[in-house]
Amino acid sequence: NAGVTQTPKFRVLKTGQSMTLLCAQDMNHEYMYWYRQDPGMGLRLIHYSVGEGTTAKGEVPDGYNVSRLKKQNFLLGLESAAPSQTSVYFCASSYRTSGRTGELFFGEGSRLTVL
Amino acid sequence: AQSVAQPEDQVNVAEGNPLTVKCTYSVSGNPYLFWYVQYPNRGLQFLLKYITGDNLVKGSYGFEAEFNKSQTSFHLKKPSALVSDSALYFCAEVQTQGVDSNYQLIWGAGTKLIIKP
Repeated sequence: NAGVTQTPKFRVLKTGQSMTLLCAQDMNHEYMYWYRQDPGMGLRLIHYSVGEGTTAKGEVPDGYNVSRLKKQNFLLGLESAAPSQTSVYFCASSYRTSGRTGELFFGEGSRLTVL
Repeated sequence: AQSVAQPEDQVNVAEGNPLTVKCTYSVSGNPYLFWYVQYPNRGLQFLLKYITGDNLVKGSYGFEAEFNKSQTSFHLKKPSALVSDSALYFCAEVQTQGVDSNYQLIWGAGTKLIIKP
């Protein structure tokens, strides 16, 4: 049971470099989310998607782009990385009916360091 | 704006003692409330939820949470702590944005629970 898989798990970038984080889920979930986790700040929503081909901005979308070309995949891109984007990134997914019930399934996280 | 507060950064409990991790929420009306747990270097896992009904909600790993509308609280509890309960605990609340498909969660900052043998 793979669940939600994130790649890569660790990455070090230099300021200005670009990269893409991949999230894949095998539970046929409609909704997918990208969060960042910073000490003392809980989770903050970056972008989310309610279905294939649709994305929307969350609380902290600046500096990030996303795409959901396939239902099972949700990509998070950083076009020009900045030190402020050093964080742990979590992908999550849920059934549409779970949107109100809050039962999300999380990946194990991707730790990104921007120098 | 909606907010979720976890007033304690860290809670220390001796193994075998009862534990409480506090959470307060801000929305009026009927909130949807949740607890998640994060073990070191892992993603978050759903523990339990309150949607409606009984104010005492039971969840995974022997945890329960008590919903108190008058105090706008949703404290997580366990009668007898285990060392393996040591983790980061997050309280969350659903934020409604007016569109059925776009409910999102508002997260507390997290509370580190340390259970000492």
